[in-house]
Amino acid sequence: DQQVKQNSPSLSVQEGRISILNCDYTNSMFDYFLWYKKYPAEGPTFLISISSIKDKNEDGRFTVFLNKSAKHLSLHIVPSQPGDSAVYFCAARSSGNTPLVFGKGTRLSVIA
Amino acid sequence: DVKVTQSSRYLVKRTGEKVFLECVQDMDHENMFWYRQDPGLGLRLIYFSYDVKMKEKGDIPEGYSVSREKKERFSLILESASTNQTSMYLCASYGYNSPLHFGNGTRLTVT
Repeated sequence: DQQVKQNSPSLSVQEGRISILNCDYTNSMFDYFLWYKKYPAEGPTFLISISSIKDKNEDGRFTVFLNKSAKHLSLHIVPSQPGDSAVYFCAARSSGNTPLVFGKGTRLSVIA
Repeated sequence: DVKVTQSSRYLVKRTGEKVFLECVQDMDHENMFWYRQDPGLGLRLIYFSYDVKMKEKGDIPEGYSVSREKKERFSLILESASTNQTSMYLCASYGYNSPLHFGNGTRLTVT
């Protein structure tokens, strides 16, 4: 039973445009959400996070939106750059010492 | 800056061998994790540990064991390697109020 779902395995976007990556979750106990970026042959690197008390968090070109009623979050990258081409993982966990649960990832390709 | 170091980037082992994957973190984090990444399956949790000598099974612990004798070190053991354990193995850690930090991964091939 997949608790964190990324329904788009891949996404292609033109350089300079907005990239929107989506993530849905089923566990209403999740209260902390993160996005990770992964290049081939490297470990995932932390990108941005949001707690359930917020609905938006922004860091430079990256913004994460959280819609708790829909159990949906999204990552916006504006403007997209070729170096953003990578696999993006959405992750979530509930409070306390619980492990992160990851989605299957979305491969973003930014075309110059 | 948090550093999670995995001892090998690439490993090739034979079926039936006992395999040790080592991971060390330098930030005094209590929590350490082992994931494997496979195409189309994302990151799946194998085992995790909240403290020295403590371990918890993740989603796919079969065929694996772990050891945490020191706070900074978390080892993953494949008791008898099989070809379906060919994968990218990722170690990670986090402390209080910090996100999960990953090592660079070990690409294990079992032939």
